[in-house]
Amino acid sequence: GAVVSQHPSWVICKSGTSVKIECRSLDFQATTMFWYRQFPKQSLMLMATSNEGSKATYEQGVEKDKFLINHASLTLSTLTVTSAHPEDSSFYICSARGPLAKNIQYFGAGTRLSVL
Amino acid sequence: AQKITQTQPGMFVQEKEAVTLDCTYDTSDPSYGLFWYKQPSSGEMIFLIYQGSYDQQNATEGRYSLNFQKARKSANLVISASQLGDSAMYFCAMREGRWNTDKLIFGTGTRLQVFP
Repeated sequence: GAVVSQHPSWVICKSGTSVKIECRSLDFQATTMFWYRQFPKQSLMLMATSNEGSKATYEQGVEKDKFLINHASLTLSTLTVTSAHPEDSSFYICSARGPLAKNIQYFGAGTRLSVL
Repeated sequence: AQKITQTQPGMFVQEKEAVTLDCTYDTSDPSYGLFWYKQPSSGEMIFLIYQGSYDQQNATEGRYSLNFQKARKSANLVISASQLGDSAMYFCAMREGRWNTDKLIFGTGTRLQVFP
């Protein structure tokens, strides 16, 4: 099956610092990747769609300048949480559209961000 | 209106028994896809099964089957011969539009507990 790697799995940072999260498709090329946010005991909310070589498409209400997304290659997308604050603490999880036509999204293991 | 509804916040099943997790959806688009994902406590989202709106037969993947009732707009997941490792959150999701539309909408999830 298609494998997506996400790093780091857990990060603690001080308020005001920036944190970068990487999402890699290991055994397939992903022209499209997705970034989700999940609050405790809640569902996944799509933050943005990341397309290789172009600007990301953000969902309504998601701050583009706060959550910077870069998809510079067919196997790597990054999410940078800039000037993080405690309210940004959450579980962030990426996915990549798999190689088959069914448009199945394969997910990374997620990153738990805690901002102190 | 909710696009994806999972009415069971929690379910219990005894090991080796079958269990059905409910999912109803709402769309006016004739072309859509339905997905089920499993999220263990570790956080990763594991793809289980996919059903396309035009698929004539119910999808099956090993112990997982999808009871697709198009007229009732339901896509229930059936897990046969439950195992302790099946204990997790289960999310139903829908992709609207044709296959090249990527956005997934997730339900609120059902927590399944399998007991010996």
